[in-house]
Amino acid sequence: KAGVTQTPRYLIKTRGQQVTLSCSPISGHRSVSWYQQTPGQGLQFLFEYFSETQRNKGNFPGRFSGRQFSNSRSEMNVSTLELGDSALYLCASSLSGEGSSGNTIYFGEGSWLTVV
Amino acid sequence: GDSVTQMEGPVTLSEEAFLTINCTYTATGYPSLFWYVQYPGEGLQLLLKATKADDKGSNKGFEATYRKETTSFHLEKGSVQVSDSAVYFCALIRVSNYKLTFGKGTLLTVNP
Repeated sequence: KAGVTQTPRYLIKTRGQQVTLSCSPISGHRSVSWYQQTPGQGLQFLFEYFSETQRNKGNFPGRFSGRQFSNSRSEMNVSTLELGDSALYLCASSLSGEGSSGNTIYFGEGSWLTVV
Repeated sequence: GDSVTQMEGPVTLSEEAFLTINCTYTATGYPSLFWYVQYPGEGLQLLLKATKADDKGSNKGFEATYRKETTSFHLEKGSVQVSDSAVYFCALIRVSNYKLTFGKGTLLTVNP
């Protein structure tokens, strides 16, 4: 069974540009969530989607957006990139997003974004 | 709001030593609790989980017990190996919140 797949794995962007990251969840999983990991702030929640609906959103500026498609694949977009957006962006998937018994949340390998 | 506090690292141990990484949490209701592990350059892997009070999660020799009275979920292993060297994250999620809240992580280094 394939795991959570994130693309691209590594990318370098210039300040002011925008970036789109993609996430393919485990087959059958309908919940996809995104996290940003930095040395200073640790792991921070960006947003969560289930059946194309955003159910929760973290405290990030409006430059950070996401969406989920009917096949449960998800994308996140960051516009007008800033140096501080350099981070590892992690996608996670699960059956329902609850983390309850029998509903494990699995993470992908992440997309390493460097903004120069 | 929800929060997770775990012991500051780094933690350095010799092979076969006993490991404890403390984790306490603040959350309303009855969250599910997790330990995730991150190896260098990789994403997060679920190590173990517990979804209700007094549950014990275990995997690969690691254990943690959900203690509601002390709001704790300490990670233990009786005999660590060099291959256990990684960053360990304690996390929680509340029902209908869909958001994992993580601690800051504890870097464990095991020397031969």
